[in-house]
Amino acid sequence: QQQVKQSPQSLIVQKGGISIINCAYENTAFDYFPWYQQFPGKGPALLIAIRPDVSEKKEGRFTISFNKSAKQFSLHIMDSQPGDSATYFCAASIRTGGFKTIFGAGTRLFVKA
Amino acid sequence: DAGVIQSPRHEVTEMGQEVTLRCKPISGHNSLFWYRQTMMRGLELLIYFNNNVPIDDSGMPEDRFSAKMPNASFSTLKIQPSEPRDSAVYFCASSGTEQYFGPGTRLTVT
Repeated sequence: QQQVKQSPQSLIVQKGGISIINCAYENTAFDYFPWYQQFPGKGPALLIAIRPDVSEKKEGRFTISFNKSAKQFSLHIMDSQPGDSATYFCAASIRTGGFKTIFGAGTRLFVKA
Repeated sequence: DAGVIQSPRHEVTEMGQEVTLRCKPISGHNSLFWYRQTMMRGLELLIYFNNNVPIDDSGMPEDRFSAKMPNASFSTLKIQPSEPRDSAVYFCASSGTEQYFGPGTRLTVT
């Protein structure tokens, strides 16, 4: 019940295309859903996050779509660029009592120039 | 702010030796997390603290692993004795309203 399932495991997209990564969770106690971006040799960096009372959040080329009833959320990267090539992690957090966060397995994105 | 600071950045040790990883969280953050990242298992939460108190250590793999947070600005993760299967990147993260990661410590146990 603590798991966050992420797909696909890897993704290849042409420059200018849309990258889509999907995640699903079971535990309805999760109340915050961040996405992290990780480059090789670096720690994960917070990219964008959403609360479950919102169905969509957009920041620049990055959009989170959230479906509370289905317990699913996804990251869309519009106009994907080679610099977006990284590993992306979805996560689910419980904000009270210390912000416990469970991560998905990660998606390796490669954007072809 | 300098962000989450971890030391050392790289550690190579022999099987059976004690390893201590260190973390300084972002000032003002009241939660601190230790994660382990491997290709096989991804990013695993080992333990987290809230206001210096361990809240959930269910991810600590076995008794060889221990973590302490003696004050709000410092935490350690200790492995004693270390084994080759402990080789991984260990991340510390801290959170206030958002969770921020340190650069990680790459541990190699030979």
